[in-house]
Amino acid sequence: EVQLVESGGGLVQPGGSLRLSCAASGFIFSNYWMHWVRQPPGKGLVWVSRSNSDGSSTSYADAVKGRFTISRDNAKNTLYLQMNSLRAEDTGVYYCARAAGFIGRDYYYYALDVWGQGTTVTVSS
Amino acid sequence: DIQMTQSPSSLSASVGDRVTITCRASQSISSYLNWYQQKPGKAPKFLIYGASSLHSGVPSRFSGSGSGTDFTLTISSLQPEDFATYYCQQSYSIPRSFGQGTKLEIK
Repeated sequence: EVQLVESGGGLVQPGGSLRLSCAASGFIFSNYWMHWVRQPPGKGLVWVSRSNSDGSSTSYADAVKGRFTISRDNAKNTLYLQMNSLRAEDTGVYYCARAAGFIGRDYYYYALDVWGQGTTVTVSS
Repeated sequence: DIQMTQSPSSLSASVGDRVTITCRASQSISSYLNWYQQKPGKAPKFLIYGASSLHSGVPSRFSGSGSGTDFTLTISSLQPEDFATYYCQQSYSIPRSFGQGTKLEIK
């Protein structure tokens, strides 16, 4: 069964750090780009970051650039999100998701086809 | 950055109704548009890619259309399990922005 399981969430004070993990199973992890998406309480989905298949290329949302670092260990089938200088507005559920490619009518499309169950991060004093 | 705007933000409908949700991009994204469904307390579920192609296992009552800046998600005959929040997402450029969501509620 294809599965993503996040862990590492919790309560942290403003300015603190946290590292999230996402353990992948049931597919060849090293073949896929991976993303982090978060959801503030009662609000919508917000894209956070992505990593290419070997971790050599990464991208970030402006809101987290310079504070968050995405990385992966393909030998351990695990994706990470190191979060530093945390702020109250970073509070929410953090999902990891697999990016898969699909052949469409005219182009090759990418979508987040497998999601973890999410891990909750609360930044509060 | 590309902004994605969905309308309406919420919608009340009955089982058997046909409903349409709209998603508009702030600039042309060709057909690089995905749709997801999310139920309370659950992770999002992938529905549609390339604006109109159904992901494997998604019921045929779901359909998508559009290109450029304007897109729609249509559910032809609502079933009880379809009451959820729906999100569009562009896969044209980074950041991979989502719409704010459309909450579909039972009338």
